[in-house]
Amino acid sequence: AQSVTQPDIHITVSEGASLELRCNYSYGATPYLFWYVQSPGQGLQLLLKYFSGDTLVQGIKGFEAEFKRSQSSFNLRKPSVHWSDAAEYFCAVAPRIQGAQKLVFGQGTRLTINP
Amino acid sequence: DSGVTQTPKHLITATGQRVTLRCSPRSGDLSVYWYQQSLDQGLQFLIQYYNGEERAKGNILERFSAQQFPDLHSELNLSSLELGDSALYFCASSHPGQAYTDTQYFGPGTRLTVL
Repeated sequence: AQSVTQPDIHITVSEGASLELRCNYSYGATPYLFWYVQSPGQGLQLLLKYFSGDTLVQGIKGFEAEFKRSQSSFNLRKPSVHWSDAAEYFCAVAPRIQGAQKLVFGQGTRLTINP
Repeated sequence: DSGVTQTPKHLITATGQRVTLRCSPRSGDLSVYWYQQSLDQGLQFLIQYYNGEERAKGNILERFSAQQFPDLHSELNLSSLELGDSALYFCASSHPGQAYTDTQYFGPGTRLTVL
């Protein structure tokens, strides 16, 4: 069965520090890969996605993620975090079936920013 | 703002009752997905409709049902409610058939509290 693992339930970093959130997936074939962010009391906002091509993808808000097939990973990075980045981050995968992409989510990583 | 709307924002009801959650997809999107977010289960896919027809089913209870209407809005019906049904219910929409755009955009969610 497909699964997504986000090993870190909670991460605290200082404002201005770099950030890396880990994501590993278990899937029969390379799926589509996504990162979503959920701010308190809000819905899910798409940060970035990987479908094919360049394995380093750029997203909104200065985030990027790198797909590593050999490690079945899709880690999210940001060189310098801002207080407004405090939120919960979800990695998700979907099968490469156009029109039937049910998302399988990881458990999420809660990011706290120290001033 | 993703363009996906959900009503109501909050719903408080009692065990045994029935509720209906409503979702309007982004303009032009043909697919609607429903997800449940709870503390113990995380984010789980419930069901997908595409242009009025059921396309995929996930961990949706028999007490739950959904439909998508000709104007593409969707409703999720939850009946014989139990305390464990308390959760945040998200709707997402996408426009399958276009490469790299079959991405799900989420609404703000409906928070259901069963007392």
